[in-house]
Amino acid sequence: AQTVTQSQPEMSVQEAETVTLSCTYDTSESDYYLFWYKQPPSRQMILVIRQEAYKQQNATENRFSVNFQKAAKSFSLKISDSQLGDAAMYFCAYRSAIPPNQFYFGTGTSLTVIP
Amino acid sequence: ETGVTQSPTHLIKTRGQQVTLRCSSQSGHNTVSWYQQALGQGPQFIFQYYREEENGRGNFPPRFSGLQFPNYSSELNVNALELDDSALYLCASSPPGLAYTDTQYFGPGTRLTVL
Repeated sequence: AQTVTQSQPEMSVQEAETVTLSCTYDTSESDYYLFWYKQPPSRQMILVIRQEAYKQQNATENRFSVNFQKAAKSFSLKISDSQLGDAAMYFCAYRSAIPPNQFYFGTGTSLTVIP
Repeated sequence: ETGVTQSPTHLIKTRGQQVTLRCSSQSGHNTVSWYQQALGQGPQFIFQYYREEENGRGNFPPRFSGLQFPNYSSELNVNALELDDSALYLCASSPPGLAYTDTQYFGPGTRLTVL
């Protein structure tokens, strides 16, 4: 089974600064999708960004970007110009290409934004 | 467009009882997945339904069962509740298409407490 590891249980960042959240995964599959989800204290999971494994170009969504290193099985999330609303639990997730295309989640990183 | 909704928001049961949780998928989505999220952990895949059929299951015992209805809404049933079943139960839906390329959209969850 695939595993997703987030080695940083907690991170903090000053408002307007940049922070990088780490994620590694283990898989024998060559094709898959990777995601970062955000879970604010209100608890509804919100998609932040996703990356197709077959694409070498790193995904970017406004202030959020990823550093996808397929060979290293690494998928970090960079948040630029951090805002107070970015404070949340962030989950890295892997979606298998093999049916039922199951999601595997990491244990999460709790991000605090300091005013 | 209506997002994923879940009911109830909170639920308290006693050990040995049975519980039914409900999920309405996002409009146009025909795949529903259920997850269990224990406190401080990432979501764990329970099972997935596609067009009213279970098409994938995680490492959960048979007392966790589900249904999907023709309108693609879904139920999660848990029999013989145990204390360890206390968790946030998340429902997520996906649109039709190439399954593993699609993002899952999560509901707000049902917080189940077993006493």
